[in-house]
Amino acid sequence: DGGITQSPKYLFRKEGQNVTLSCEQNLNHDAMYWYRQDPGQGLRLIYYSQIVNDFQKGDIAEGYSVSREKKESFPLTVTSAQKNPTAFYLCASSMPDKGRAQYFGPGTRLLVL
Amino acid sequence: DQQVKQNSPSLSVQEGRISILNCDYTNSMFDYFLWYKKYPAEGPTFLISISSIKDKNEDGRFTVFLNKSAKHLSLHIVPSQPGDSAVYFCAALGAGSYQLTFGKGTKLSVIP
Repeated sequence: DGGITQSPKYLFRKEGQNVTLSCEQNLNHDAMYWYRQDPGQGLRLIYYSQIVNDFQKGDIAEGYSVSREKKESFPLTVTSAQKNPTAFYLCASSMPDKGRAQYFGPGTRLLVL
Repeated sequence: DQQVKQNSPSLSVQEGRISILNCDYTNSMFDYFLWYKKYPAEGPTFLISISSIKDKNEDGRFTVFLNKSAKHLSLHIVPSQPGDSAVYFCAALGAGSYQLTFGKGTKLSVIP
């Protein structure tokens, strides 16, 4: 079954702590993305990666870091520098050569204790 | 500055009738537009898209219309079903860009 998985579904962060959100896809998609959604808002792009070992900042990259060591995986780290991390985080992937739609995972809800 | 605007936060429609969701954009560099459906606490599901070289695209009950001169697009759902109740997001891509720009969404309620 092809798709995008995100884990965990809920994540709690303490003050000053870094946390990492997992995103895995088995769609063989080249590009992967991280978005953030706040209540009553649209999705905003944090980072994206077009190929392995390469990634670019989106509109709201401050306080976040990513890596792309494997095609299937694009983990997002929310660092202590992110002052307002409580949000719903969504990972997506696409195959730009076969259309421009991005396909989303189920999301991770991050809450600060 | 919002480049993609969905001015109606909510819409209620009777089951079986047409639902029309609207979206306006300001950036003339956008050349590809998408609609997503989202349930609470889930990821958005891609519904339908349209390139700026077209003015209409149809897929089953869903039709998207694009009016480039007015920088306006709309999603028509006919006939509306209770399972269509969700938040619908309009999104846009610029030429050669990977960054989706989203509107804030419209919550559709289909009343049985």
